[in-house]
This record gives sequence, structure tokens and C-alpha cells, in this order.
Amino acid sequence: DAKTTQPPSMDCAEGRAANLPCNHSTISGNEYVYWYRQIHSQGPQYIIHGLKNNETNEMASLIITEDRKSSTLILPHATLRDTAVYYCIVRANYGGATNKLIFGTGTLLAVQP
Amino acid sequence: GAGVSQSPRYKVAKRGQDVALRCDPISGHVSLFWYQQALGQGPEFLTYFQNEAQLDKSGLPSDRFFAERPEGSVSTLKIQRTQQEDSAVYLCASSLTGKAPTEAFFGQGTRLTVV
Repeated sequence: DAKTTQPPSMDCAEGRAANLPCNHSTISGNEYVYWYRQIHSQGPQYIIHGLKNNETNEMASLIITEDRKSSTLILPHATLRDTAVYYCIVRANYGGATNKLIFGTGTLLAVQP
Repeated sequence: GAGVSQSPRYKVAKRGQDVALRCDPISGHVSLFWYQQALGQGPEFLTYFQNEAQLDKSGLPSDRFFAERPEGSVSTLKIQRTQQEDSAVYLCASSLTGKAPTEAFFGQGTRLTVV
């Protein structure tokens, strides 16, 4: 699976939008971009995924550049409960064992009151 | 159940002791994964089951690590002769089908401390 690059940490003011960048310059055409987050002392939690088009759900929006070499996760109105480590993962979808997720070190987002 | 359940939440083992960690996946989930997470690091893949078949064990760090899922539901990760470097959080995840794209649901993990 392709390697991703994320900043180690970011701060965001409560109530403001949090924009978390991810570079995945070696992504292949059949690889999806996934985002998970991990709140302290909990297991990772799925947020969103996409292939080419921008995606939005109740938690966040995912913006993927046209060349697919980078993406941004947007939390529109960050709250203190959004403080967590955010992982950007690219993964092919052939099914079976290739469903495994390869985590990097992620971005620690600290939402400030 | 409502989510993936792991037990125990915390385990302290003396070096050389054997331990068994349990994972109850979401009912009906075909895929089950084990991950190991060292302090300050992201989770690292250990092994994967599709129903009762262990299709990938490439991440198991040594032959002291063994996992099973005999009836395609509950899974156990066993570590024999524990060493200090085995201290980590062990995470279990399950997903609905073996096909993708699909989200994985994680348990809260078992924190293993080897003293």
C-alpha cells in the first residue's frame, strides 16, 4: 500500500474548522483514501473514505485533489471531543487480507477551548 | 453485541508467562484483524481471519504469537513466554464482509504489560 505523509501535530480553536492534510503521492489508481481517528485510550474509529470524488458524511468532509496525490480531511466545527490522533491511510480494495490497514503515526489534533 | 468487545482490558504478566487475549467481534462480521500498538505509535497489523480461516499471519512478530478463530466468531490471541518487548496495546477489529471498501470496527484494546 502507498505511504502517506501527515504533519505530526496541529492545533485548532474550538468551533472553527479543522483541516488535516495528507500527502499520498505514490497512490495507485485502485487505492482508496481512508481516514480513521483514535481518541486517547480507545480503539481507532472510522471517519470517511473516498476514491476520486469529494465525500461528506455526518462527521467530516474529504477533499481529494484531482491528481489524487493529496487529500484534506475537514472537521467543519471542531469540538474538544475531536482531540485525537488522525490517521490517513491509502489501501487497495481487492478484498481478503488486503483489507488490512497500514497505519502511520498520524496527526495529533489538539482542539483548544 | 453493540460493538467489538475485548477482554481483559488490562493484563499484567510476569516475563515468561503465557497470556490469552480475547476478542468478540460484531455478530455476523466475516473479517477479523489483530493489531499491536506500541506506545506513541500507530497500530501495526498482526494477523487476519476470514471466518475461521487465518489468511494472513505475516505480521506476527515471532512463533510465540498464535491466533485462532475456531468457529468463525470469537478469536483468541495467545502469546507464549512473554517478553518485555511484548508490552503494548493489542487491538481487535472486525468488518462485515471480506470485500471492500468497508469500514473496520475496533475494540478498545487490551493493554498488556510484561514485568
